[in-house]
Amino acid sequence: EAQVTQNPRYLITVTGKKLTVTCSQNMNHEYMSWYRQDPGLGLRQIYYSMNVEVTDKGDVPEGYKVSRKEKRNFPLILESPSPNQTSLYFCASKPTTSHNEQFFGPGTRLTVL
Amino acid sequence: QQQVKQSPQSLIVQKGGISIINCAYENTAFDYFPWYQQFPGKGPALLIAIRPDVSEKKEGRFTISFNKSAKQFSLHIMDSQPGDSATYFCAPSVQGAQKLVFGQGTRLTINP
Repeated sequence: EAQVTQNPRYLITVTGKKLTVTCSQNMNHEYMSWYRQDPGLGLRQIYYSMNVEVTDKGDVPEGYKVSRKEKRNFPLILESPSPNQTSLYFCASKPTTSHNEQFFGPGTRLTVL
Repeated sequence: QQQVKQSPQSLIVQKGGISIINCAYENTAFDYFPWYQQFPGKGPALLIAIRPDVSEKKEGRFTISFNKSAKQFSLHIMDSQPGDSATYFCAPSVQGAQKLVFGQGTRLTINP
């Protein structure tokens, strides 16, 4: 089944404890992206990647890191999480940069205490 | 920064009624106008999309209306059903764009 998977789905952590949210897609998509969803703010792009080893900042990159060492994986790293990073996170992919429809993962709900 | 404004934030419609959600944008270069549907506990999924060469597109009970001069497009859900209860996002973009922007979302509730 073609899909985007994220792990974990739920995570409760404490301020300053490094964490990684994994994202993997099995559709051989070139483009991958991370979003956070907050009430009243919609989906805001954190980072995106046009291909392996090519990443760039979205609108809200502060406090996050990403890497794209393999085409299928695009992990989101929070080196020192803070409570304002409590949010619902989505990974998405699309076939190429020129293709417009995005395919989303199921989401990761993160709580930072 | 590209501005996208979606309204209303929340909407309650009776079963069988018409639901209307609007999306206004500023960037006249946008050439792809989609609506995404998100059910609780799930990621958004493309519902319907339109290109600027047409003013309306209909897929079943869902219709996109596009007004290029007003820089806005809307989603109409005819004969709304409880199963349509979800959050809807607009996400206009330029083909090939790398940075993508979404509207603020509309939580739609269809009362039985």
